[in-house]
Amino acid sequence: ETGVTQSPTHLIKTRGQQVTLRCSSQSGHNTVSWYQQALGQGPQFIFQYYREEENGRGNFPPRFSGLQFPNYSSELNVNALELDDSALYLCASSLSGGSSYNEQFFGPGTRLTVL
Amino acid sequence: AQRVTQPEKLLSVFKGAPVELKCNYSYSGSPELFWYVQYSRQRLQLLLRHISRESIKGFTADLNKGETSFHLKKPFAQEEDSAMYYCALIKSYQLIWGAGTKLIIKP
Repeated sequence: ETGVTQSPTHLIKTRGQQVTLRCSSQSGHNTVSWYQQALGQGPQFIFQYYREEENGRGNFPPRFSGLQFPNYSSELNVNALELDDSALYLCASSLSGGSSYNEQFFGPGTRLTVL
Repeated sequence: AQRVTQPEKLLSVFKGAPVELKCNYSYSGSPELFWYVQYSRQRLQLLLRHISRESIKGFTADLNKGETSFHLKKPFAQEEDSAMYYCALIKSYQLIWGAGTKLIIKP
């Protein structure tokens, strides 16, 4: 069984650019959640995808968007990068979605630095 | 608004001493609460959730609705308990997290 993987590990971008982060979910999982973790803070929920549809969204602007593919892997896209977008981006996969909670398994994260 | 507060950024105790990591929450309704742990160079993982009422690695946590708390406790700390600990609650599909407490166990 393969765990959650994320790519790239680290990324440096400049303000105004666009970035795509990738996540491969754990085998058998159909739900992916994305989180932003600023330095010294807990993760903040960005959105969740369940069976290729956005299943819920946190308090993030529309320039944060995502996709989930038929194999349940996922992308997080951020347009018009701002300095405050510098953070660790975590992906977590789980089985099933909706309002019930099933344990989320986390990837190692992508460290994004915006200059 | 739903919120999770971990008042201590850092907690340092000696090996063998009791540990209590504090977590307070605000939530309208019946909360479902969790503790997550991140060991050095490892990824976030679930430690325990209140509905299962388990003891994991010697840790327990009791939900106190009167005090809106979900403190994590262990009677005798071990060096391998050194890690970052996060308290979180679930609201529908999303986890709401505290800022975390770094626990250091001194030999």
